[in-house]
Amino acid sequence: DAGVIQSPRHEVTEMGQEVTLRCKPISGHDYLFWYRQTMMRGLELLIYFNNNVPIDDSGMPEDRFSAKMPNASFSTLKIQPSEPRDSAVYFCASSLVSPPDTQYFGPGTRLTVL
Amino acid sequence: SQQGEEDPQALSIQEGENATMNCSYKTSINNLQWYRQNSGRGLVHLILIRSNEREKHSGRLRVTLDTSKKSSSLLITASRAADTASYFCATEGTSYGKLTFGQGTILTVHP
Repeated sequence: DAGVIQSPRHEVTEMGQEVTLRCKPISGHDYLFWYRQTMMRGLELLIYFNNNVPIDDSGMPEDRFSAKMPNASFSTLKIQPSEPRDSAVYFCASSLVSPPDTQYFGPGTRLTVL
Repeated sequence: SQQGEEDPQALSIQEGENATMNCSYKTSINNLQWYRQNSGRGLVHLILIRSNEREKHSGRLRVTLDTSKKSSSLLITASRAADTASYFCATEGTSYGKLTFGQGTILTVHP
């Protein structure tokens, strides 16, 4: 298995631009998670899906952030408009429902908003 | 605030020594997991311990869990330079499948 795939690996954009991050979970996994990691705040859970349905989006910072999972093999995290404080590494992870399983992380997307 | 808080924030040891990291949490959990993150990479799962377990081993790793004190420890024996990484504890509470991560311990193992 290729593991969790994220694209792009690096993204540099200017403030105000729209940014779309992409994730392909491990085939057969039921859960998909989006995290953000910064030095100041550590690893924060933004949103997670179960069987393509958003379960908890309480970690999404504000309305500028949105996430979708149109099918079991693809998810997007969109920031519109982007701001410099959104600069971070964004991770996608997936896991199985049962038994209580570990999360498998992708390599991350390093986002820099100028 | 973070559910899991690791202690110490940074640990520097020599190759061959043991490394111990601690994690404290605040609410009831279903399980506690430890992850490792090498610089510039995603997190990698190391070990999972359920709330009804007290100790677990995996290779050079030993994890303990004390639910009465809401704390866990990760012991890495006979450390190697390749163990240099950040280590995170993560707890699964009442929301099935959802993990809350601590701030991590940065471990440096000198050859």
